[in-house]
Amino acid sequence: QVQLVQSGAEVKKPGASVKVSCKASGYTFTGYYMHWVRQAPGQGLEWMGWINPNSGGTNYAQKFQGRVTMTRDTSISTAYMELSRLRSDDTAVYYCARPPAPSLVYYFDYWGQGTLVTVSS
Amino acid sequence: DIQLTQSPSFLSASVGDRVTITCRASQGISSYLAWYQQKPGKAPKLLIYAASTLQSGVPSRFSGSGSGTEFTLTISSLQPEDFATYYCQQLNSYPRPRITFGPGTKVDIK
Repeated sequence: QVQLVQSGAEVKKPGASVKVSCKASGYTFTGYYMHWVRQAPGQGLEWMGWINPNSGGTNYAQKFQGRVTMTRDTSISTAYMELSRLRSDDTAVYYCARPPAPSLVYYFDYWGQGTLVTVSS
Repeated sequence: DIQLTQSPSFLSASVGDRVTITCRASQGISSYLAWYQQKPGKAPKLLIYAASTLQSGVPSRFSGSGSGTEFTLTISSLQPEDFATYYCQQLNSYPRPRITFGPGTKVDIK
């Protein structure tokens, strides 16, 4: 069965960087885009971007351009999201999410369990 | 960027009620719209994609309709497990693919 297992919670100081991992299993990792979505406490969902694990190509939301980097390691079926120059309003649960089918790139069916990133001085 | 609005933002209903949630886009988005259900502390669950296609395993009491700028999610007979927050999500392809979510509609028990 498809599983996305994310790394554990992080506490960072303002200005630091955080790197969250998402290990995929149960399917061909390179066959599906991987998206990252975040949710601040008590707030709605915010799409951050995607990576094509096959090519390494990325597409970032304009809001995060210059601060986010999405990468992957196909040898271990793992996607990464690194966010730099952290601010207090980056405190959120970060999810990786996979489409339901290779052709349905822009929808999210399988989700990781979420990684809480807390930014505090 | 295309903005999504949802109405109502909060809805109080009883088990068995028919519930309709509306999502409006600031520009036409064809049928690139999805609906998600989220319960507290859990990841969202995909209910509907391409405006009206029911995701596998989702009960048939959920349905979606619409195109262009106005879309609806209908729950034909609300069940106890349906009390949650619902989000719409759209894709805007031009000039580069961009995805945005609506602000959410919380469905609570009356």
